[in-house]
Amino acid sequence: GEDVEQSLFLSVREGDSSVINCTYTDSSSTYLYWYKQEPGAGLQLLTYIFSNMDMKQDQRLTVLLNKKDKHLSLRIADTQTGDSAIYFCAYKGTSYDKVIFGPGTSLSVIP
Amino acid sequence: SAVISQKPSRDICQRGTSLTIQCQVDSQVTMMFWYRQQPGQSLTLIATANQGSEATYESGFVIDKFPISRPNLTFSTLTVSNMSPEDSSIYLCSVVGTGTYEQYFGPGTRLTVT
Repeated sequence: GEDVEQSLFLSVREGDSSVINCTYTDSSSTYLYWYKQEPGAGLQLLTYIFSNMDMKQDQRLTVLLNKKDKHLSLRIADTQTGDSAIYFCAYKGTSYDKVIFGPGTSLSVIP
Repeated sequence: SAVISQKPSRDICQRGTSLTIQCQVDSQVTMMFWYRQQPGQSLTLIATANQGSEATYESGFVIDKFPISRPNLTFSTLTVSNMSPEDSSIYLCSVVGTGTYEQYFGPGTRLTVT
């Protein structure tokens, strides 16, 4: 199957950490991505992780992958108002496969 | 990262007409894709644009409705034919860089059909 699930909404206070969760069903996924979409804008590739990794850190972003449970998370440290956006979890099987997207999580940051 | 531009950025079209969207990449890329994002929804893949051959369409999308061209490794077009209000969406071009796993998206074309 190609299902990807995410919570639709998340609200955090400025300065707190945000954790956006994603579960997927396709065990053949090799590359897992997080994209950010601000209102009226295109998709920005935030980070990605290979399925043979458990964790990847990039400045304020930490990606955790539990392949056994097919669970991916994105942690944003010290969340800022500029982080308010929709965050899409996505995956593909090989570099030539299509990218399958989750429904997106709308993150609202309260000043 | 690849820099992708799309034209037009937005358009308002009448029912029954067609619109061609252009996608230009600043470097040669292996894979090019066209996605649709309906209002408030996630992204759905329309087709993979193949250089020098017919595009590969996903279930629910057909060539007569969404003809695609890809004459070279940096350029592709998507036509939305015989439009209806249900075609009102954002259409996004996407590429995978040669030798990478990173998939990038263009800024999108916001189409409104009246």
